[in-house]
Amino acid sequence: DTAVSQTPKYLVTQMGNDKSIKCEQNLGHDTMYWYKQDSKKFLKIMFSYNNKELIINETVPNRFSPKSPDKAHLNLHINSLELGDSAVYFCASSQDEGSNSPLHFGNGTRLTVT
Amino acid sequence: GDSVTQMEGPVTLSEEAFLTINCTYTATGYPSLFWYVQYPGEGLQLLLKATKADDKGSNKGFEATYRKETTSFHLEKGSVQVSDSAVYFCALSDSGTSYGKLTFGQGTILTVHP
Repeated sequence: DTAVSQTPKYLVTQMGNDKSIKCEQNLGHDTMYWYKQDSKKFLKIMFSYNNKELIINETVPNRFSPKSPDKAHLNLHINSLELGDSAVYFCASSQDEGSNSPLHFGNGTRLTVT
Repeated sequence: GDSVTQMEGPVTLSEEAFLTINCTYTATGYPSLFWYVQYPGEGLQLLLKATKADDKGSNKGFEATYRKETTSFHLEKGSVQVSDSAVYFCALSDSGTSYGKLTFGQGTILTVHP
């Protein structure tokens, strides 16, 4: 009965490869997000979708492409992986796009690019 | 732009000690303020929130008061336990930007020893 689930939990790959991270939420929320946490624990928003529509794109390289097939899923595809992409990626969801809606986070995907 | 500054960590305490983690913010609108906690290997969980000036958020013995005059939202707990060991993030969501976009502080690592 996990609320926000991401797969895989760990992802190790080589530079230049293409990889995807999947996220699903069963909370019935309208809004989903991807956040990136770097090695110093700093968290920064990457994307936000509301009802399958992109509403936030925080100057992320276009090698990163989010896809939302329905409002319960938000996947992240990364092309031509670089060393600097190594981080923990968190998916999250909220009831709506309002500023008072708390976020519910998945457990993260640790991406290591070698 | 919006920003959140937390006290530098790591913080190491003995069980039953008093905890304060300082958090100050800058925002253009009227933000909602949050504390999130990240336990090892897990995603972030909402700990408490406050949506307007002088509101006090509280949960699990933790509390924080929204101080508009000092732009602060310090986290306190009277008696910490070993199980409180985690990373704590202060965050804001600015009503001017909405869409649930959170701006996080850099996180403070708390370790509690028996």
